[in-house]
Amino acid sequence: SSELTQDPAVSVALGQTVRITCQGDSLRSYYASWYQQKPGQAPVLVIYGKNNRPSGIPDRFSGSSSGNTASLTITGAQAEDEADYYCNSRDSSGNHRVFGTGTKVTVL
Amino acid sequence: QLQLQESGSGLVKPSQTLSLTCAVSGGSISSGGYSWSWIRQPPGKGLEWIGYIYHSGSTYYNPSLKSRVTISVDRSKNQFSLKLSSVTAADTAVYYCARGRDGYNWGAFDIWGQGTMVTVSS
Repeated sequence: SSELTQDPAVSVALGQTVRITCQGDSLRSYYASWYQQKPGQAPVLVIYGKNNRPSGIPDRFSGSSSGNTASLTITGAQAEDEADYYCNSRDSSGNHRVFGTGTKVTVL
Repeated sequence: QLQLQESGSGLVKPSQTLSLTCAVSGGSISSGGYSWSWIRQPPGKGLEWIGYIYHSGSTYYNPSLKSRVTISVDRSKNQFSLKLSSVTAADTAVYYCARGRDGYNWGAFDIWGQGTMVTVSS
């Protein structure tokens, strides 16, 4: 299967920790990348590879992977972290890309 | 700093061909090690990968769109393009271009254009 499944929505209290998960068969072979998208804006890469952050991404964002599940963790969530988050990975063929269904994160 | 900018028709009639261009500035599209992708997002919905072209010229397309999609590169103009034929209302979306980076067991889209809205309507 080439699908990546995410929970539709999660909420987190300001300053607390939230984990967003992404499930799919291809994640047993390939790492996920993670994107933050705020309303009306293009997505922004926040995590790639095993657990790499592009320049400018706060270290409260981290990634991990186990079996068929990839996770994005926000430790000490801030109000500005409220956004939609998408995972992406290669499909089982390795040649195509597939996005997760997306998770809306609300910071309370 | 590399930047991407989409351009093209914002309104396309059903059954016609959607054409978009992504201009690359601040760097060369011929730089090795990168791929150049198109990604779309229907209003209120999630992201969908359309396809990409490698610096080598190899192309890979979403199997669900493969029969209608062509991605090409114009190195002289430092840009790449998307053509999507036989469009319907379901192709209405914001279309993004993005640069891809790949490792042995990972891939990522590290630079994105701002996106351009395309509406399919008569």
